[in-house]
Amino acid sequence: DGGITQSPKYLFRKEGQNVTLSCEQNLNHDAMYWYRQDPGQGLRLIYYSQIVNDFQKGDIAEGYSVSREKKESFPLTVTSAQKNPTAFYLCASTPTGYSGNTIYFGEGSWLTVV
Amino acid sequence: AQRVTQPEKLLSVFKGAPVELKCNYSYSGSPELFWYVQYSRQRLQLLLRHISRESIKGFTADLNKGETSFHLKKPFAQEEDSAMYYCALRGAGSYQLTFGKGTKLSVIP
Repeated sequence: DGGITQSPKYLFRKEGQNVTLSCEQNLNHDAMYWYRQDPGQGLRLIYYSQIVNDFQKGDIAEGYSVSREKKESFPLTVTSAQKNPTAFYLCASTPTGYSGNTIYFGEGSWLTVV
Repeated sequence: AQRVTQPEKLLSVFKGAPVELKCNYSYSGSPELFWYVQYSRQRLQLLLRHISRESIKGFTADLNKGETSFHLKKPFAQEEDSAMYYCALRGAGSYQLTFGKGTKLSVIP
């Protein structure tokens, strides 16, 4: 079954701890993305990666870090520097080339920091 | 910088009434515009994109470069259209996809 898999679906962490969200895709897509979705804020881009070993900051990258060591994997680390980490996080991917290509989303991960 | 504005957070219409979800954008070059939909408890999915000039589930959207708008329209709303709708923009030659804040459409039976 092809698609994008995010894990875990729900995650609770104590304030001050780093946490890593997993995103795996078996669609052979080159580009991958991380978005944060807050009520009333829509989707805001955190980081994106066009190819392996390369990634770019999005609009709200502060307090987050990513890596892209493999084409199919794009993990997101929410560091203790992120002031408001509690949110819904969406991973997405898109095929090679960008003209008109759609972006496919995972089911998301809920992170709650207490 | 690229920006997408959806002025309505919530739009309520009666079943059978016309629907128009507004989207305005700001981008200096040639944009690609999309509408995404998120039904309750489902993942975000593509509804339509301007380059295809397609009609999906009765929805259409026309890119108006003069008014920098990409409004989503449907002549007769159905209850199953109730969902969250996001307008999105990608600049030509770019991988960066920017979303608006979304409009929640509620169709009243």
